[in-house]
Amino acid sequence: AQSVTQLDSQVPVFEEAPVELRCNYSSSVSVYLFWYVQYPNQGLQLLLKYLSGSTLVKGINGFEAEFNKSQTSFHLRKPSVHISDTAEYFCAVSDASGTYKYIFGTGTRLKVLA
Amino acid sequence: GAVVSQHPSRVICKSGTSVKIECRSLDFQATTMFWYRQFPKQSLMLMATSNEGSKATYEQGVEKDKFLINHASLTLSTLTVTSAHPEDSSFYICSARKPDTQYFGPGTRLTVL
Repeated sequence: AQSVTQLDSQVPVFEEAPVELRCNYSSSVSVYLFWYVQYPNQGLQLLLKYLSGSTLVKGINGFEAEFNKSQTSFHLRKPSVHISDTAEYFCAVSDASGTYKYIFGTGTRLKVLA
Repeated sequence: GAVVSQHPSRVICKSGTSVKIECRSLDFQATTMFWYRQFPKQSLMLMATSNEGSKATYEQGVEKDKFLINHASLTLSTLTVTSAHPEDSSFYICSARKPDTQYFGPGTRLTVL
């Protein structure tokens, strides 16, 4: 079974500052990793994903994440945030064997301050 | 692209009535769709996995007779909340699998009075 931990429930950051949202996972099998963003009263939008290959993954809206197998982490980063990045961010893991079910983290609320 | 729609976006109903929510993959075929429930300021809770042409697989603790799922085609899955009660009020989100990634609908806000 897999599990996902998002240690930070809220992250306040000033506009144009860099941000890192942390995600750690545990699994006894190979995994796929995902980051999604959710704006109020909306569904989830895929930011980026790691399935295989390069451990540095670039996504939409200037976000990137690095898969670190030894530290079982998949932290999300952005070098310069905008007010519009204020949202809830979810990390998710699925096993690579084919069930395709996600285990979600509890989410991190990113609040960008002017 | 990978666009998923849900209908309706918002529904208010009286206690005891049934409500149907549709989830459609608009530009791809999805043999597998998922239904989630999200409580305010919480993460998503998987309710069931919907497979085209077969019975849905429900997660532990989810009443299959209350939350009826039908996946009749490769682009449509429906969730029917039967005999809804106020405690069923929630935000329901579906997703469609393509092929290793889930793409999510915009969600349906259900309010049961």
